Order: sequence, then C-alpha cells, then structure tokens
Amino acid sequence: DAKTTQPPSMDCAEGRAANLPCNHSTISGNEYVYWYRQIHSQGPQYIIHGLKNNETNEMASLIITEDRKSSTLILPHATLRDTAVYYCIVRVPRKIQGAQKLVFGQGTRLTINP
Amino acid sequence: DVKVTQSSRYLVKRTGEKVFLECVQDMDHENMFWYRQDPGLGLRLIYFSYDVKMKEKGDIPEGYSVSREKKERFSLILESASTNQTSMYLCASSLLGVRSVRFITGELFFGEGSRLTVL
Repeated sequence: DAKTTQPPSMDCAEGRAANLPCNHSTISGNEYVYWYRQIHSQGPQYIIHGLKNNETNEMASLIITEDRKSSTLILPHATLRDTAVYYCIVRVPRKIQGAQKLVFGQGTRLTINP
Repeated sequence: DVKVTQSSRYLVKRTGEKVFLECVQDMDHENMFWYRQDPGLGLRLIYFSYDVKMKEKGDIPEGYSVSREKKERFSLILESASTNQTSMYLCASSLLGVRSVRFITGELFFGEGSRLTVL
C-alpha cells in the first residue's frame, strides 16, 4: 500500500473551511484514498473515500488531484466537534477473501478554535 | 445505526493474568479486526477474521490470540498479560464485498475502544 504524508498538526477557526492535505506520490492506479478521523478517547470514524473523482458526502468533500499524487479533505464549515486526528490512508481493495486491512499513519491533529 | 460494542472501556489487570476483550457488531459484517493504539505508533493490526472460525495474523500478533465462534462476536485474548500490553485496544468490522466483485467496501466501523492497563 502506498505511503502517505500528512502535516502533524493544523489549526482552523470555527465556521471556516478546514483543508487537510495528504501526499501519496507513490499511489498506483488501483489504489483508493480513504479518510478517517479519531476524536479523543473514541474509536476512528470513517469519513470518505475515493479513487480519482472528487467525492462529497454529508461530512466532507474529497478532492484528488488529476495525477492522484495528492488529495485534500475539506470540512466546509468546521465546528469545535471536528477537533480530532485525521488519517489519510491509501490502499488497494483486496480481491481475495482477506479482510480490509488499513494501515494508519500518524495523521494530522486538527484543532478548531472558537 | 451501525454499532460495534466493546465489552469494557477500562480494565486494570495484573501481570500474568488472562484477559478477554470482547467485541460485538450488529451489522452482519463478515470482517472483524483487533487493533491496538499507542502514542507515536498509530494503530497496529493484531488479528483479523473474515469468517466464523477463520482468523489471520496482523502485524503484531505475538502475545495475543483470538476467537470467532459466532459471526457477530470477535474476542481478543491475552493468555498471560504483560506490562507492554498496556494499550488502547480497538475492535472494528466491515463488509466483505461480493467475492466476484473486484473490490471490497472501504468503510471500517470501530468500537469505542478498551483501555487496558497491566500492572
């Protein structure tokens, strides 16, 4: 699975858009980009995933560059409850009966300030 | 709503004790996982299971075993707890995609975690 690089920490003002970058320059053609977040003292929570097209759901938007070497997670109107560690993960879906093995890196600690 | 429930949020055990961590999911998922999370090391996969009575080692299986007797339940067992097993333990589950399809769904559902302290 491709390695990802994220900034260790970021700050954002409440109500503004939070843009979290992720570099995955070694990504291969069949690897997906996944984003999870972990709020303090809770288990990680799935946010969104995509292959090459931009994706949007009720939580966030995912923008993947045309060369797929980087992506940005956008929280359009950040709230204090969005303060968490955000993980960007790149992996190829498994065709075998094996499980969904996700490798979590260190992530970005996002702090939303009032 | 999707639910993954871990039996205990906080446990304190003594070195050498046998420890059981239970995880139950109500989504009829085939895949279940146990991770541990430590500061500076991120989440590391201990074991996973893609079917009843099936299990596979993850990246750090030493000192652990697992049991999957029923589809909804995945147990992590520390036969003889040691202080270096003090950690946050996270259970997760996911769907197994139709086997003839090329990919497996991307979403993992996690429990709240069990913080184990071994004295």
